Amino acid sequence: ETGVTQTPRHLVMGMTNKKSLKCEQHLGHNAMYWYKQSAKKPLELMFVYNFKEQTENNSVPSRFSPECPNSSHLFLHLHTLQPEDSALYLCASSPTSGHGNEQFFGPGTRLTVL
Amino acid sequence: KQEVTQIPAALSVPEGENLVLNCSFTDSAIYNLQWFRQDPGKGLTSLLLIQSSQREQTSGRLNASLDKSSGRSTLYIAASQPGDSATYLCAVGRRDSNYQLIWGAGTKLIIKP
Repeated sequence: ETGVTQTPRHLVMGMTNKKSLKCEQHLGHNAMYWYKQSAKKPLELMFVYNFKEQTENNSVPSRFSPECPNSSHLFLHLHTLQPEDSALYLCASSPTSGHGNEQFFGPGTRLTVL
Repeated sequence: KQEVTQIPAALSVPEGENLVLNCSFTDSAIYNLQWFRQDPGKGLTSLLLIQSSQREQTSGRLNASLDKSSGRSTLYIAASQPGDSATYLCAVGRRDSNYQLIWGAGTKLIIKP
């Protein structure tokens, strides 16, 4: 595997379910990101981890819970989601989260909340 | 607050034409600006990155320009091909210590054979 991978690629869940999204990067980077992409809206940054420490939480509801066990893996735990949370969730990584570091993206997880 | 706008939201042109995609931003105090491509069902691929001190960057048939004073960037695609069909996103890097990318909503480009 190379680059940034995400699993699952598609997920359908009910509002009472609990699920997790997984992201793995094989680039030796130290920063990882979760973004939400809704239809016809700009990407929204959700969380940033730098050297396994969370450095950004852009007012994300607590029903989204990130976890970064090491610099290569990032999870997004989901529980009691709402239909408006349906979107494409993108993971990215970069050498660090500092200025000018190019971000590399995974293919995304298409989430549908029923 | 930095806002990034891409107009038009969608564009359809015949194969072989040269075309320009537009990106505008409200705060000229940027660190850099990036253009990305997104194919359906896939993630984003970085195309060009322009530092705030630069005026343009080129890669193959792509040329991106940056005019900070007017808050504008353009992505020029020469001799368009059907394989160029995708959504093109621009993102502005903030200059302050809280470095983040601020994104436009994208322009969906269709190149007709």
